[in-house]
Order: sequence, then C-alpha cells, then structure tokens
Amino acid sequence: QVQLVQSGAEVKRPGASVRVSCQASGYTFTTSDINWVRLAPGQGLEWMGWMNPDSGNVGYARKFQGRVTMTRSTSTNTAFMELSSLKSEDTAVYYCARETAVSLVEGGIPYYYYGMDVWGQGTTVTVSS
Amino acid sequence: DVQMTQSPSSLSASVGDKITITCRASQTINRYLNWYQQKSGKVPKLLISAASVLQSGVPSRFSGSGSGTDYTLTISNLQPEDFATYYCQQSYSTFKTFGQGTKVDIK
Repeated sequence: QVQLVQSGAEVKRPGASVRVSCQASGYTFTTSDINWVRLAPGQGLEWMGWMNPDSGNVGYARKFQGRVTMTRSTSTNTAFMELSSLKSEDTAVYYCARETAVSLVEGGIPYYYYGMDVWGQGTTVTVSS
Repeated sequence: DVQMTQSPSSLSASVGDKITITCRASQTINRYLNWYQQKSGKVPKLLISAASVLQSGVPSRFSGSGSGTDYTLTISNLQPEDFATYYCQQSYSTFKTFGQGTKVDIK
C-alpha cells in the first residue's frame, strides 16, 4: 500500500540542526510532490514547503527561508527536510505528505486541484537546552 | 501570501447535530481549497479537495462548498468519531497555507 515512513524522534539543543527523512513506498516516488507540515504544541498545522522529487525543485514558506532545506534521494525513494538554527519554538511534530491531484473538467478544460492525501506518521522534534 | 481565516476556532456540538465551519481566503482562490480532519495524536486526513470533492471513503455526511474567497465545511448528523480539529488549506498559491483550525468537541 501507499505509505510514507518517517525517521524517529529527535532531541536537539538550541542552535543545532535536525534532518528528518521520509521514505515512500507503494507508488512512483517521482510522480508526486512532497510537502512538509509541522504541528507545534497548542498550535495549528503549519506548511513549511514542498519539493518535486523528480526535478528537485523546491519552494519554502517565507518563515523558514534560509533555515530549511528539502532534498531527496531517488535511489532510495526518500525525501529529507533539514531545519537549522533550531529554537525552542521549533519543537513540534513534523510530517511529510504526498500531494496528488483531483482533475475536474470545466467548460471542456481540465483543472487540477492538489491535496495532501498520504501522510507520514510524524516525527517529534524536541528542542531543549 | 494567501491568508486563511477559519471560524469558529472551536465549537461544542452533540451527536446528531449539523455543524458548519467557514474558511475565508485573503484573495480569491478559485476553489483550490482542501479540508482536513486531525484527531488528537493522529495524522491529518484529507476529507475534501477542490472545495467540494469528497475523498474516497469519506462519509457522505461531510460536504464542502464555496467559491471565490469563502468556503464552508458542513457535517450533518455528527457522529462520535467526528470530534476532531478541522483545517482548511489553500493550494491556489505555490506557497500553501492552512487555516488556524476549528476544534469540534462534545457538548
């Protein structure tokens, strides 16, 4: 079945970096974008960025630009998210999510609406001194 | 960035109730709007995409509507398993954004 399996929990000191992996199986890894989303304690879901596993193209939320790097290994069907200069406010559960499209034809023209349909199990990152 | 504003931030309801959650975008997003459900300690689940298209396996008591900047998620005949936090999310922009969430709990 289609699944995304993430790496295990991490505990980091402020100022350090963390790298979370997300291994895909059950579908062709290069055909769907991977997004990264986090959920901090008491907060809502926060989108961090996307990566196209085929081209390696990425797009990062303004809040994380300069601190986040998203990469992939097509040989192992794995996406990576690295967040640097960690602060206590980065304590959160980090999710990877596959994005696929629903196609609707309107006026004879197909439109593609993307949603995150498969999620990894989440990786807890704790930043504490 | 496109800002997404959900309301209410929380609501209390009873089994069998009909509830509506609204989501307003800071600009038109042309139905590029998804709804997710997240239960405590669980992974988010995509319920609806393209504002109104139910994902496979999602019960028909869930429905979505809207256009332009304003969208709604309606749950008819609320069931015990529906008590959760719901998020809207726009995919109109390359830079995706979520609403702040609506927590639905038992009255």
